[in-house]
Amino acid sequence: DQQVKQNSPSLSVQEGRISILNCDYTNSMFDYFLWYKKYPAEGPTFLISISSIKDKNEDGRFTVFLNKSAKHLSLHIVPSQPGDSAVYFCAAGRGYGGSQGNLIFGKGTKLSVKP
Amino acid sequence: ETGVTQSPTHLIKTRGQQVTLRCSSQSGHNTVSWYQQALGQGPQFIFQYYREEENGRGNFPPRFSGLQFPNYSSELNVNALELDDSALYLCASSRGTYNTGELFFGEGSRLTVL
Repeated sequence: DQQVKQNSPSLSVQEGRISILNCDYTNSMFDYFLWYKKYPAEGPTFLISISSIKDKNEDGRFTVFLNKSAKHLSLHIVPSQPGDSAVYFCAAGRGYGGSQGNLIFGKGTKLSVKP
Repeated sequence: ETGVTQSPTHLIKTRGQQVTLRCSSQSGHNTVSWYQQALGQGPQFIFQYYREEENGRGNFPPRFSGLQFPNYSSELNVNALELDDSALYLCASSRGTYNTGELFFGEGSRLTVL
């Protein structure tokens, strides 16, 4: 039973255009959602997060949108750059205090940004 | 500030053997989590240690065990290795007991079980 789903294994985008990565979840009890980026031979790196009480969070070129009624979140990257090429993981967590390490990850979407 | 470091980076074992993976948490972080990432999958939570005690565990059998030391470094031990244990094992550290899931990951230890 996958609680966090990323249905697109890969996405290819032209440099300068918008990249939109999608994620669906099934558990309405999640308190926060995060996006991690992973380059080959490196560990995942935190990118951006959003609390379940918000519907948007922005950090530079990266914006995460949360639609709780649809149990859907998306990551927008504008403009996309070749250095953004990586695997992006959507993750979700419950609770604050002691159990914050227990994140549920999706399978990831491999983003390729072409020059 | 030193990041999360893991050792060894690669290792090969045979079925039935035991393995110990090590992790040094980022400076100032007192919480360590371990994840298993199988090929083509996202990381899956194994367990978490806070102040040397396990305080959260995922759906992994008891042959997966761990330790956290007073300096907050950690070990993951897997007994009676099975072929399906072949994976990238990721260690992540975080600070304190309240945050929104921002974890700092090491590069991982890739385990191959033959």
